[in-house]
Amino acid sequence: GAVVSQHPSRVICKSGTSVKIECRSLDFQATTMFWYRQFPKQSLMLMATSNEGSKATYEQGVEKDKFLINHASLTLSTLTVTSAHPEDSSFYICSARSGVQGARETQYFGPGTRLLVL
Amino acid sequence: GENVGLHLPTLSVQEGDNSIINCAYSNSASDYFIWYKQESGKGPQFIIDIRSNMDKRQGQRVTVLLNKTVKHLSLQIAATQPGDSAVYFCAENIKGRRALTFGSGTRLQVQP
Repeated sequence: GAVVSQHPSRVICKSGTSVKIECRSLDFQATTMFWYRQFPKQSLMLMATSNEGSKATYEQGVEKDKFLINHASLTLSTLTVTSAHPEDSSFYICSARSGVQGARETQYFGPGTRLLVL
Repeated sequence: GENVGLHLPTLSVQEGDNSIINCAYSNSASDYFIWYKQESGKGPQFIIDIRSNMDKRQGQRVTVLLNKTVKHLSLQIAATQPGDSAVYFCAENIKGRRALTFGSGTRLQVQP
C-alpha cells in the first residue's frame, strides 16, 4: 500500500506554545489529506480536510484559528496547533487519498503524532 | 458527525481460532467499505476493502462480508494469531463526502 509519514512521532511542549506536525505522502500525490484526532480508547475523529492549493475544510466544533492547516504541495500537509493547552494532548493522525473523486479511493494513514502539552 | 466509541468492545479469542468482528453502518448511500487494524500507538493500517456491489471479498486469512439489507459489515480472520491483537475499525465511504466515516472499533485480544 501507499506510504504516509508523519513528523514528529512524539512531541512534548509547554502550555501556550505552538506545535507543527508534518504529513507527507511518500510514493503518491495526494490531492486531499485528512487530519484526525484520537483520544484513548476512542475512534478517530475527523478534524479537517486539507485540500492542495486551497483552504482546509473544518469539521463542526474544530477551531480553524487554533488548528492551522497548510497543504502547500501534493505531498505535504501541515497541522499547527497554536497556543496549545493540556486538553489538546492527543494522538493526531493524518491520512492521504489520491485518485479521481468519485472513484474508489483508499485512505492511507500516517503513523500518528503523540502530543503532550504540559 | 463521526462515530466516537466511549468504550471499545473487546473480543477475546484463543490462538488458532477464527475471529469475527462486526460493524453496523448507518448510511445507505455508502458505496465503499474498508477495515483497518490499529496497533497501540500506531496509525490505522489498511486490511481489506469491499465495494457495495459485492457481498464478499477474501484476502490472505481475512474475509469481509457485506450485508446491505441490514447495513452490516463483518471481518473474519482465520487462524487468529497473537500478532492479530489490535483494535479493528470499519470505515465507510458515504457518497458526497470526501473523508471516510469510522465506526467505534473493536479490540481483539488473542490468547496464546
